[in-house]
Amino acid sequence: AQTVTQSQPEMSVQEAETVTLSCTYDTSESDYYLFWYKQPPSRQMILVIRQEAYKQQNATENRFSVNFQKAAKSFSLKISDSQLGDAAMYFCAYRGGSNYQLIWGAGTKLIIKP
Amino acid sequence: DTAVSQTPKYLVTQMGNDKSIKCEQNLGHDTMYWYKQDSKKFLKIMFSYNNKELIINETVPNRFSPKSPDKAHLNLHINSLELGDSAVYFCASSFVPVGSTGELFFGEGSRLTVL
Repeated sequence: AQTVTQSQPEMSVQEAETVTLSCTYDTSESDYYLFWYKQPPSRQMILVIRQEAYKQQNATENRFSVNFQKAAKSFSLKISDSQLGDAAMYFCAYRGGSNYQLIWGAGTKLIIKP
Repeated sequence: DTAVSQTPKYLVTQMGNDKSIKCEQNLGHDTMYWYKQDSKKFLKIMFSYNNKELIINETVPNRFSPKSPDKAHLNLHINSLELGDSAVYFCASSFVPVGSTGELFFGEGSRLTVL
């Protein structure tokens, strides 16, 4: 069975600095998708970034980028120029190629220090 | 124009009562989900419907019953509420996985408090 592990329950970073959140996963599939979701205090889950496993290029969305290491089964999220609005829970998620269900990590709470 | 909307957003009720949470999506998605998020923020899938057909039915008490009148709606009914049912319940929707990334779009959540 697939699993997703986020080993950092909490991270903190100074405003304007860069932080990396780690995520590892376990799977025997070759076709899959990986996601980072953000859940701010307002509760709503918002997609931050997605990565298709068949793409070698790391996904980037403005200040958010991933370091996708397929062989190591690692999918870390880098946030550059951290802003106060980035404070949230961040969840890593995995979906197999033909599966309806996302497998979720336990989440990392990101604190931004002004 | 809310994509996935849930009502109510807050619900406080007594043990033993029956309550419902409604969810509607206007994204044209085929698949809808109910998740439970506990106090430690862990997300647990409960149910999923694809075109009104139940496709995921995780181990949840049978006091929880989903109903999908059409593919744009997925409601959750809970009978005989217990203290442990207190949580935030999220509705989500997505396109079917084939040919898409299957990313989820979430509602704002419904915080249920059972006293």
